[in-house]
Amino acid sequence: GAGVSQTPSNKVTEKGKYVELRCDPISGHTALYWYRQSLGQGPEFLIYFQGTGAADDSGLPNDRFFAVRPEGSVSTLKIQRTERGDSAVYLCASSTGGTGELFFGEGSRLTVL
Amino acid sequence: AQSVTQPDIHITVSEGASLELRCNYSYGATPYLFWYVQSPGQGLQLLLKYFSGDTLVQGIKGFEAEFKRSQSSFNLRKPSVHWSDAAEYFCAVGASIGDTDKLIFGTGTRLQVFP
Repeated sequence: GAGVSQTPSNKVTEKGKYVELRCDPISGHTALYWYRQSLGQGPEFLIYFQGTGAADDSGLPNDRFFAVRPEGSVSTLKIQRTERGDSAVYLCASSTGGTGELFFGEGSRLTVL
Repeated sequence: AQSVTQPDIHITVSEGASLELRCNYSYGATPYLFWYVQSPGQGLQLLLKYFSGDTLVQGIKGFEAEFKRSQSSFNLRKPSVHWSDAAEYFCAVGASIGDTDKLIFGTGTRLQVFP
Protein backbone atom coordinates (compact mmCIF):
# COMPACT_ATOMS: atom_id res chain seq x y z
CA GLY A 1 0.00 0.00 0.00
CA ALA A 2 0.94 3.63 -0.28
CA GLY A 3 0.75 4.52 3.39
CA VAL A 4 1.93 3.23 6.74
CA SER A 5 0.07 0.07 7.66
CA GLN A 6 -0.45 -1.11 11.23
CA THR A 7 -1.88 -4.40 12.41
CA PRO A 8 -3.94 -5.27 14.28
CA SER A 9 -6.16 -2.21 14.31
CA ASN A 10 -7.64 -3.38 17.59
CA LYS A 11 -6.28 -5.76 20.20
CA VAL A 12 -7.97 -6.76 23.43
CA THR A 13 -5.90 -8.79 25.86
CA GLU A 14 -5.82 -9.78 29.48
CA LYS A 15 -3.47 -8.43 32.08
CA GLY A 16 -0.21 -10.33 32.08
CA LYS A 17 -0.37 -11.46 28.45
CA TYR A 18 2.19 -10.82 25.71
CA VAL A 19 1.31 -8.60 22.74
CA GLU A 20 2.92 -7.84 19.39
CA LEU A 21 2.00 -4.87 17.23
CA ARG A 22 3.22 -4.66 13.67
CA CYS A 23 4.11 -1.68 11.49
CA ASP A 24 4.75 -1.72 7.75
CA PRO A 25 6.25 1.67 6.77
CA ILE A 26 6.16 3.46 3.46
CA SER A 27 8.53 1.80 1.01
CA GLY A 28 11.90 3.51 0.96
CA HIS A 29 11.50 5.30 4.30
CA THR A 30 14.58 4.60 6.38
CA ALA A 31 13.31 6.16 9.59
CA LEU A 32 10.58 4.51 11.66
CA TYR A 33 8.98 5.76 14.88
CA TRP A 34 6.69 4.34 17.52
CA TYR A 35 4.49 6.66 19.54
CA ARG A 36 1.86 5.96 22.17
CA GLN A 37 -1.30 8.03 22.48
CA SER A 38 -3.36 7.73 25.64
CA LEU A 39 -6.90 9.06 25.86
CA GLY A 40 -6.96 12.84 25.81
CA GLN A 41 -3.22 13.13 25.26
CA GLY A 42 -0.91 13.86 22.39
CA PRO A 43 1.35 11.22 20.91
CA GLU A 44 4.24 10.31 23.21
CA PHE A 45 7.55 9.22 21.68
CA LEU A 46 8.65 5.64 22.39
CA ILE A 47 11.43 4.63 20.02
CA TYR A 48 13.08 5.59 16.73
CA PHE A 49 14.82 3.36 14.18
CA GLN A 50 17.23 4.46 11.49
CA GLY A 51 17.53 1.41 9.30
CA THR A 52 17.72 -1.71 11.43
CA GLY A 53 19.09 -0.14 14.58
CA ALA A 54 17.25 1.61 17.38
CA ALA A 55 18.82 5.06 17.30
CA ASP A 56 16.81 6.36 20.26
CA ASP A 57 14.77 4.23 22.65
CA SER A 58 14.59 6.80 25.42
CA GLY A 59 10.80 6.84 25.38
CA LEU A 60 10.24 3.18 26.18
CA PRO A 61 8.59 3.26 29.62
CA ASN A 62 10.25 0.12 31.03
CA ASP A 63 11.85 -3.17 30.08
CA ARG A 64 8.51 -4.78 29.31
CA PHE A 65 8.53 -2.84 26.05
CA PHE A 66 10.79 -3.83 23.18
CA ALA A 67 10.82 -3.14 19.44
CA VAL A 68 12.67 -4.64 16.52
CA ARG A 69 13.19 -3.86 12.86
CA PRO A 70 15.36 -6.76 11.66
CA GLU A 71 15.46 -6.00 7.95
CA GLY A 72 15.09 -2.25 8.05
CA SER A 73 11.49 -2.27 6.91
CA VAL A 74 8.72 -3.85 8.99
CA SER A 75 8.87 -3.22 12.73
CA THR A 76 7.26 -5.04 15.64
CA LEU A 77 6.55 -3.50 19.04
CA LYS A 78 6.49 -6.14 21.73
CA ILE A 79 4.91 -5.73 25.15
CA GLN A 80 5.44 -8.36 27.83
CA ARG A 81 3.31 -8.92 30.92
CA THR A 82 0.80 -6.29 29.84
CA GLU A 83 -0.74 -4.02 32.45
CA ARG A 84 -3.99 -2.05 32.36
CA GLY A 85 -1.97 1.13 32.12
CA ASP A 86 -0.59 -0.03 28.77
CA SER A 87 -4.01 0.53 27.21
CA ALA A 88 -3.57 3.17 24.50
CA VAL A 89 -3.35 3.68 20.77
CA TYR A 90 0.10 2.77 19.51
CA LEU A 91 1.08 4.83 16.48
CA CYS A 92 3.75 4.05 13.97
CA ALA A 93 5.25 6.63 11.62
CA SER A 94 7.92 6.62 8.96
CA SER A 95 9.90 9.29 7.19
CA THR A 96 12.80 9.85 4.84
CA GLY A 97 14.56 11.67 7.67
CA GLY A 98 15.44 15.31 8.20
CA THR A 99 12.23 16.90 6.95
CA GLY A 100 10.10 16.88 10.08
CA GLU A 101 7.30 15.23 8.16
CA LEU A 102 6.27 11.97 9.71
CA PHE A 103 3.75 9.80 7.90
CA PHE A 104 1.55 8.10 10.47
CA GLY A 105 -0.46 4.94 10.35
CA GLU A 106 -3.96 4.76 11.81
CA GLY A 107 -2.68 3.09 14.92
CA SER A 108 -3.27 -0.08 16.88
CA ARG A 109 -5.69 0.32 19.76
CA LEU A 110 -4.62 -1.87 22.66
CA THR A 111 -7.01 -2.61 25.50
CA VAL A 112 -5.75 -4.52 28.51
CA LEU A 113 -8.51 -5.93 30.69
CA ALA B 1 13.51 20.02 28.31
CA GLN B 2 11.30 20.74 25.38
CA SER B 3 7.58 21.02 25.92
CA VAL B 4 4.50 22.14 24.06
CA THR B 5 1.37 23.64 25.56
CA GLN B 6 -1.96 23.84 23.83
CA PRO B 7 -4.16 25.75 26.28
CA ASP B 8 -7.46 25.08 24.53
CA ILE B 9 -8.72 21.53 24.89
CA HIS B 10 -11.88 22.08 22.85
CA ILE B 11 -12.94 24.87 20.49
CA THR B 12 -16.26 25.28 18.71
CA VAL B 13 -16.75 27.59 15.74
CA SER B 14 -19.40 28.16 13.11
CA GLU B 15 -18.69 27.23 9.53
CA GLY B 16 -17.24 30.21 7.72
CA ALA B 17 -15.85 31.79 10.87
CA SER B 18 -12.17 32.44 11.40
CA LEU B 19 -10.08 30.16 13.57
CA GLU B 20 -6.99 30.49 15.74
CA LEU B 21 -5.53 27.58 17.71
CA ARG B 22 -2.91 28.46 20.27
CA CYS B 23 0.42 26.77 20.79
CA ASN B 24 3.24 27.73 23.15
CA TYR B 25 6.55 25.94 23.32
CA SER B 26 9.49 25.75 25.65
CA TYR B 27 12.90 25.22 24.10
CA GLY B 28 16.28 26.85 24.59
CA ALA B 29 17.31 27.21 20.97
CA THR B 30 15.43 27.93 17.79
CA PRO B 31 12.80 25.26 17.61
CA TYR B 32 11.47 23.36 14.68
CA LEU B 33 7.68 23.65 14.92
CA PHE B 34 4.88 21.65 13.37
CA TRP B 35 1.11 21.38 13.26
CA TYR B 36 -0.49 18.00 12.63
CA VAL B 37 -4.17 17.18 12.21
CA GLN B 38 -5.86 13.95 13.25
CA SER B 39 -9.22 13.23 11.68
CA PRO B 40 -11.47 10.39 12.87
CA GLY B 41 -10.35 7.09 11.40
CA GLN B 42 -7.24 8.61 9.86
CA GLY B 43 -3.62 8.92 10.81
CA LEU B 44 -1.96 12.16 11.81
CA GLN B 45 -1.23 14.39 8.84
CA LEU B 46 1.25 17.25 8.63
CA LEU B 47 -0.42 20.63 8.03
CA LEU B 48 2.66 22.85 8.05
CA LYS B 49 6.11 23.29 9.55
CA TYR B 50 8.54 26.03 10.50
CA PHE B 51 12.29 25.55 10.34
CA SER B 52 13.67 29.05 9.70
CA GLY B 53 13.17 32.15 7.57
CA ASP B 54 9.77 33.74 7.05
CA THR B 55 7.88 33.50 10.32
CA LEU B 56 4.51 33.18 8.57
CA VAL B 57 4.21 29.75 7.02
CA GLN B 58 1.52 28.44 4.74
CA GLY B 59 0.24 24.91 4.88
CA ILE B 60 -2.26 22.63 3.29
CA LYS B 61 -6.04 23.05 3.41
CA GLY B 62 -5.77 26.84 3.69
CA PHE B 63 -4.05 26.85 7.10
CA GLU B 64 -1.22 29.16 8.12
CA ALA B 65 0.82 29.64 11.28
CA GLU B 66 3.00 32.42 12.62
CA PHE B 67 6.16 31.88 14.67
CA LYS B 68 6.62 34.55 17.34
CA ARG B 69 9.86 34.09 19.19
CA SER B 70 9.11 36.83 21.72
CA GLN B 71 5.95 35.02 22.77
CA SER B 72 7.24 31.47 22.29
CA SER B 73 4.16 30.83 20.22
CA PHE B 74 3.23 29.15 16.97
CA ASN B 75 -0.51 29.71 16.56
CA LEU B 76 -2.46 28.09 13.77
CA ARG B 77 -4.98 30.15 11.81
CA LYS B 78 -7.55 29.79 9.09
CA PRO B 79 -9.67 32.68 7.78
CA SER B 80 -12.78 30.64 7.02
CA VAL B 81 -13.45 27.24 8.56
CA HIS B 82 -15.14 24.43 6.65
CA TRP B 83 -17.15 21.63 8.26
CA SER B 84 -14.50 19.16 7.08
CA ASP B 85 -11.94 20.89 9.32
CA ALA B 86 -13.51 19.29 12.40
CA ALA B 87 -10.67 17.21 13.85
CA GLU B 88 -8.00 17.17 16.54
CA TYR B 89 -5.04 19.45 16.02
CA PHE B 90 -1.62 18.87 17.53
CA CYS B 91 1.28 21.26 17.79
CA ALA B 92 4.73 19.68 17.99
CA VAL B 93 8.33 20.75 18.50
CA GLY B 94 11.41 19.01 17.17
CA ALA B 95 14.83 19.12 18.78
CA SER B 96 16.88 19.00 15.64
CA ILE B 97 16.56 18.04 12.07
CA GLY B 98 19.47 15.93 10.98
CA ASP B 99 18.80 12.28 10.76
CA THR B 100 16.03 12.37 13.28
CA ASP B 101 12.51 13.70 13.30
CA LYS B 102 11.79 13.02 16.95
CA LEU B 103 8.88 15.25 17.88
CA ILE B 104 7.31 16.29 21.16
CA PHE B 105 3.57 16.80 20.83
CA GLY B 106 1.12 18.93 22.76
CA THR B 107 -2.06 17.48 24.21
CA GLY B 108 -4.16 18.63 21.26
CA THR B 109 -7.14 20.88 20.58
CA ARG B 110 -10.37 19.34 19.42
CA LEU B 111 -12.15 21.51 16.86
CA GLN B 112 -15.89 21.25 16.43
CA VAL B 113 -17.58 23.06 13.52
CA PHE B 114 -21.25 23.97 13.56
CA PRO B 115 -23.12 24.47 10.26
